[in-house]
Amino acid sequence: DGGITQSPKYLFRKEGQNVTLSCEQNLNHDAMYWYRQDPGQGLRLIYYSQIVNDFQKGDIAEGYSVSREKKESFPLTVTSAQKNPTAFYLCASSIDLLAGGQNEQFFGPGTRLTVL
Amino acid sequence: GENVEQHPSTLSVQEGDSAVIKCTYSDSASNYFPWYKQELGKGPQLIIDIRSNVGEKKDQRIAVTLNKTAKHFSLHITETQPEDSAVYFCAASIYKLSFGAGTTVTVRA
Repeated sequence: DGGITQSPKYLFRKEGQNVTLSCEQNLNHDAMYWYRQDPGQGLRLIYYSQIVNDFQKGDIAEGYSVSREKKESFPLTVTSAQKNPTAFYLCASSIDLLAGGQNEQFFGPGTRLTVL
Repeated sequence: GENVEQHPSTLSVQEGDSAVIKCTYSDSASNYFPWYKQELGKGPQLIIDIRSNVGEKKDQRIAVTLNKTAKHFSLHITETQPEDSAVYFCAASIYKLSFGAGTTVTVRA
């Protein structure tokens, strides 16, 4: 059963702690993405990766970091530098990014992060 | 960068009626326009998309229209059903997606 998995579904952290969100896909997709979703603001792009060992900043990358050591995995670290980290985080993947972004993006179920 | 505006932010319709959501975009170079449906607690799922060389596309009860001159596109849902209740997002893309703020659709039985 192909798809994207994100874990955990809910995550609580104390202010000042770094936290890493997991994203795994078995769709054999080259491109992967991280979005942040806040109420009333739609989805905003944090980072994206076209291929293994390569990633680019999105629109709101400050306070976040990523790695892409394997094709199927794209973890996101929310660092203590992120001023307002409480949000719903969505991971997505697509076949590739080269076709002008015109490939369907498949989304995972999301991780809701709450910083106390 | 691309700016996508979506209206209305909330929409309540009677079951069986039609629902229309409208989006505008700023960058005339955008050439791909998907619509996503997000149910509570889940990730968004693509329901229909349209490319810049097409003016209209239909899939059963869902249709999307695109006016490139005016830089706006719309989602039409006919014969709405309770399972259509969700948040709908439009997006526009050159090489990466820019999303609208979303429309919460409620279908009243």
